Amino acid sequence: AQSVSQHNHHVILSEAASLELGCNYSYGGTVNLFWYVQYPGQHLQLLLKYFSGDPLVKGIKGFEAEFIKSKFSFNLRKPSVQWSDTAEYFCAVSRSSAYGNNRLAFGKGNQVVVIP
Amino acid sequence: DTAVSQTPKYLVTQMGNDKSIKCEQNLGHDTMYWYKQDSKKFLKIMFSYNNKELIINETVPNRFSPKSPDKAHLNLHINSLELGDSAVYFCASSPDRSRSWGEKLFFGSGTQLSVL
Repeated sequence: AQSVSQHNHHVILSEAASLELGCNYSYGGTVNLFWYVQYPGQHLQLLLKYFSGDPLVKGIKGFEAEFIKSKFSFNLRKPSVQWSDTAEYFCAVSRSSAYGNNRLAFGKGNQVVVIP
Repeated sequence: DTAVSQTPKYLVTQMGNDKSIKCEQNLGHDTMYWYKQDSKKFLKIMFSYNNKELIINETVPNRFSPKSPDKAHLNLHINSLELGDSAVYFCASSPDRSRSWGEKLFFGSGTQLSVL
C-alpha cells in the first residue's frame, strides 16, 4: 500500500521567514501529487498539483513544490510567509491510471503557525 | 453557495447510539466520498460512490453504512457508536474518476464526532 509521510507536524515561524514542508511517498509507480491547505475553520482546498512535465510547480499564494522522482519527494516551499498562511497543509498522492483510482492517500499534515 | 455541505458540524453522543451525518453537493459531480481524519491527523478514505453506486469500500466496520439516495447526496450512518469512532469526518466530491480528478476534489468543512 502506498503511504505518504510528512514530518515536523508542528511548524511555528515568523512572518517573512521561509517555509519548507517535506513530503515523501512510498509508491513506486507513476503518481499524481497534490498539496492541500486547510485554513482555520475552512474546508480543504487544493494548493497545487503535479501530474507530469516541469517538476517545479507553482500554486496559489506564492507556494511552489518540487517533485524529485529519485527521492520520492514533493516538498512544498514558500520564500516569505505571511500571517494568513497559518493553516494545516496536507500532501496527497494518487496513482496515475487511465481507469482512475480514487484512493488518494494523504499525509498526516503539517500544522503551520505564522507569528506576526 | 457552499459547494459541499455536511451537517452537523459538531456531533457529541454517547456510546452505543446510532447517528447520521449528511452530505450534499451542488456541483453536479458524479462521485462522492467519505474520509475519516483520526486523532493522529491521518485522512483515510472510507467510501466512494459514483452515480449512487458504491465503488470503494475500505476496511471499515459494518457499523458504518453509507447511503446515497441520489448522486448529490451521500449520507453516513453509524450504528452502535464506539469511543474509537471519535474523529473528524469529511465528505468530498469530484466530477469523475479521470486522471485529473484529484485536482477537482472538493471537501466539506468536516463533522467533528465525539463519542463519550
